Amino acid sequence: DTAVSQTPKYLVTQMGNDKSIKCEQNLGHDTMYWYKQDSKKFLKIMFSYNNKELIINETVPNRFSPKSPDKAHLNLHINSLELGDSAVYFCASSQGPQAPNTGELFFGEGSRLTVL
Amino acid sequence: AQKITQTQPGMFVQEKEAVTLDCTYDTSDPSYGLFWYKQPSSGEMIFLIYQGSYDQQNATEGRYSLNFQKARKSANLVISASQLGDSAMYFCAMRGHNTNAGKSTFGDGTTLTVKP
Repeated sequence: DTAVSQTPKYLVTQMGNDKSIKCEQNLGHDTMYWYKQDSKKFLKIMFSYNNKELIINETVPNRFSPKSPDKAHLNLHINSLELGDSAVYFCASSQGPQAPNTGELFFGEGSRLTVL
Repeated sequence: AQKITQTQPGMFVQEKEAVTLDCTYDTSDPSYGLFWYKQPSSGEMIFLIYQGSYDQQNATEGRYSLNFQKARKSANLVISASQLGDSAMYFCAMRGHNTNAGKSTFGDGTTLTVKP
């Protein structure tokens, strides 16, 4: 069983379209994240949810809207896609930030988005 | 604010030798965790090792050890007896325990190439 799974793994789409990426974790973690890895491999946090509540919202354009229907799922919807949105988007989960634990991230396989 | 600096964009090591990947950090959080992740060419992110800011001893996990020098704010990764499969990108990251809502901040990464 995959611990953190994201779909789809690849998306190729035209500028201006809307796309969604889904993420599910079966680890029982309270916190889930979206990270963006650009072409230079820089990894930046976008959003974090803790028990379905948004707790981190970095300076991300409004075109990006995360949704967490329950603590095991975190989806990312992107409106009006732009060329600069091309990247690999990683979903991750961890135990809650207040838990006495190491808090390492468990990553999904990544979703490679290419905007043409 | 949290900041991670990895000053080595690329490193080479001969198979079976040891290599040190540098990482320095800055944070206002009195309690934090430091992490190293590996990203092979296949793209997945793999957690390697964790060091807590109050841990008295340096962390070790198999061939990986973390050389933690708190006063110098450094958390270097040492890989002993390098193997060809160690060729990958390595990211240093940190997570505050009290602030930043559990956000993990990543360095820019170091690409390690192991030569046969």
